[in-house]
Amino acid sequence: AQSVTQLGSHVSVSEGALVLLRCNYSSSVPPYLFWYVQYPNQGLQLLLKYTSAATLVKGINGFEAEFKKSETSFHLTKPSAHMSDAAEYFCAVSDNAGNMLTFGGGTRLMVKP
Amino acid sequence: DAGVTQSPTHLIKTRGQQVTLRCSPISGHKSVSWYQQVLGQGPQFIFQYYEKEERGRGNFPDRFSARQFPNYSSELNVNALLLGDSALYLCASSPGGQGPQETQYFGPGTRLLVL
Repeated sequence: AQSVTQLGSHVSVSEGALVLLRCNYSSSVPPYLFWYVQYPNQGLQLLLKYTSAATLVKGINGFEAEFKKSETSFHLTKPSAHMSDAAEYFCAVSDNAGNMLTFGGGTRLMVKP
Repeated sequence: DAGVTQSPTHLIKTRGQQVTLRCSPISGHKSVSWYQQVLGQGPQFIFQYYEKEERGRGNFPDRFSARQFPNYSSELNVNALLLGDSALYLCASSPGGQGPQETQYFGPGTRLLVL
């Protein structure tokens, strides 16, 4: 079964600092990986997804993620944090048929002024 | 274009009662999925429907059931509610038939509180 693990349930950065949110996956086949963001009292919004076309994936709001097969990782980064980036971030992997997403436990990002 | 809509937004029930949650997908999307998100955790997959047929089911008891209508909207039904069913229930829609790279678009959720 495929799974993802997000290291760090809470991450705090200063405004303007680098954001790094970690995601490691477990999959017996090439995975399809997603990053979603959830703002308070809202649903999930897709930031970006990996579909094997390119290892470096650029998403919305300045976020990007790099797929590293050797490390089984798909970490999310942003060069400079904004206050508006404060939210919960979820990494997810799709099953082979595309019937379900399996989510990690989430990382809450806090941005300090 | 309208996104995924869910109703109601909030719901309070007591143990043992039954609840029905509703979801309307993005226009043109034929697949609807349901997820349960307990406070402080990531969403967990409950069901996926495509063209009115169940395509996937997560590890949830038979008290949970769902269906999809000809207009592709969907209902999630939970019987004999338990305190542990308190959660945010998320509906997601996708075009359908595009395989594992297909993006699921989420609605705002229905927050269910069981007392």
